[in-house]
Amino acid sequence: GAGVSQSPSNKVTEKGKDVELRCDPISGHTALYWYRQSLGQGLEFLIYFQGNSAPDKSGLPSDRFSAERTGGSVSTLTIQRTQQEDSAVYLCASSLDLGEAFFGQGTRLTVV
Amino acid sequence: SQKIEQNSEALNIQEGKTATLTCNYTNYSPAYLQWYRQDPGRGPVFLLLIRENEKEKRKERLKVTFDTTLKQSLFHITASQPADSATYLCALNDYKLSFGAGTTVTVRA
Repeated sequence: GAGVSQSPSNKVTEKGKDVELRCDPISGHTALYWYRQSLGQGLEFLIYFQGNSAPDKSGLPSDRFSAERTGGSVSTLTIQRTQQEDSAVYLCASSLDLGEAFFGQGTRLTVV
Repeated sequence: SQKIEQNSEALNIQEGKTATLTCNYTNYSPAYLQWYRQDPGRGPVFLLLIRENEKEKRKERLKVTFDTTLKQSLFHITASQPADSATYLCALNDYKLSFGAGTTVTVRA
C-alpha cells in the first residue's frame, strides 16, 4: 500500500475484554515498531520486529500485552483483559532497515 | 538502555526567529539520529536523518548537527513560521527506534 495502515482507527471496549489492533506496514519494510502514546505524553516503545521475529519485547507493559507478525508483513497487537490505564493511542511504524520510519494514523483505544 | 533527553517541554518564539532544540543521549552513539515532527492527533512525520560520521545536515529551513563527543544533536528551524508550530521529536536508531519526549514549538505571528 501507499502507507502504513492501522485498524481500527478508534476502539471503545469494556474493561476486561480483549482487543486486537492491526498494522499493515509498507510493503518490503523489514522493521516494524509498536508505540503507545497517552494524551500529552511522548512515544512509549512497546515492541520491535525485524522480519517475523521480535528481538526486543522489553517495552510490553505486562503479560496482558502480546504481538506477532506474520509473513514479514501484517502485525497484530493483542491486549487481554483490558484495563482503563490501557487507554491511549497505539501507533505502528515501519522502516527499511534503520532508515526513515513511516507511521500509521494510530488506533485510539478507550477502555470504559 | 539509552536515555534520551530533549530540552524544555515547550519553546515559544517570534515569527522569523530561529528555534534551536536540543537532544542529549546517555550511552553509546547510535548509527543514526533522526528528527520527526508530530502535529496534534497525528503520527510523527520524518524530517531529517543524520549519520554518526556526519556533522551537519540541512533541508530547506531545517538544520541538524550531531556531536558524538558531546552525545548531543541540535535541531534548528530558521526563519520560523506559525506553520512550524508542532512537537519535534528526536529519535535514536541503533537496533530499534527510541524517541525522546519531544519539544513543543509555538511560533507567534
